[in-house]
Amino acid sequence: DTEVTQTPKHLVMGMTNKKSLKCEQHMGHRAMYWYKQKAKKPPELMFVYSYEKLSINESVPSRFSPECPNSSLLNLHLHALQPEDSALYLCASSLRSSGNTIYFGEGSWLTVV
Amino acid sequence: GENVEQHPSTLSVQEGDSAVIKCTYSDSASNYFPWYKQELGKGPQLIIDIRSNVGEKKDQRIAVTLNKTAKHFSLHITETQPEDSAVYFCAASHSNAGGTSYGKLTFGQGTILTVHP
Repeated sequence: DTEVTQTPKHLVMGMTNKKSLKCEQHMGHRAMYWYKQKAKKPPELMFVYSYEKLSINESVPSRFSPECPNSSLLNLHLHALQPEDSALYLCASSLRSSGNTIYFGEGSWLTVV
Repeated sequence: GENVEQHPSTLSVQEGDSAVIKCTYSDSASNYFPWYKQELGKGPQLIIDIRSNVGEKKDQRIAVTLNKTAKHFSLHITETQPEDSAVYFCAASHSNAGGTSYGKLTFGQGTILTVHP
């Protein structure tokens, strides 16, 4: 089973709202990722967690705040977003962070109004 | 940093024909090359991958070839079917000496494949 589960599938939020995206995997993977994908573009890496520690932050604005409560869960907390942040947010995981196969979830479609 | 170029941006074929998508990369240290298929409204799905110690890999109708000297790799789909229609992304990443590349995939820009019945 190579399943990464993301909730919610769709989210509409105002620029003053606080919301969270959630991601879960039960494959025993120790690396988890957040990617952002705009329409007709490839995914762009935002954050990497390795063994529950933040390993990479690709200069993402602080209005995006990741959290890894345990090895199976990954959250992305959203606050004071801008309309240009509307995109598909993809969670992914891999066994480790050293070049292992990366599996993506179905994504959360975020619209900021 | 790594740069991945992918061609063509769109590809239209008749059912049963073969489809080939090509990618080039810039970082000679890259050693892992996955291909993802993304259907409308869904997340990318890994369809095949290859590592730098292998020149070719096949999985039923799908094959990937790698030329490390030329720094390019290609996806080959034979006997295409309408359900193969999707956006295909190539990607590249590398592990450093400690094996800690942190999974930083660099994607190509994608190829929209349309298979006509």
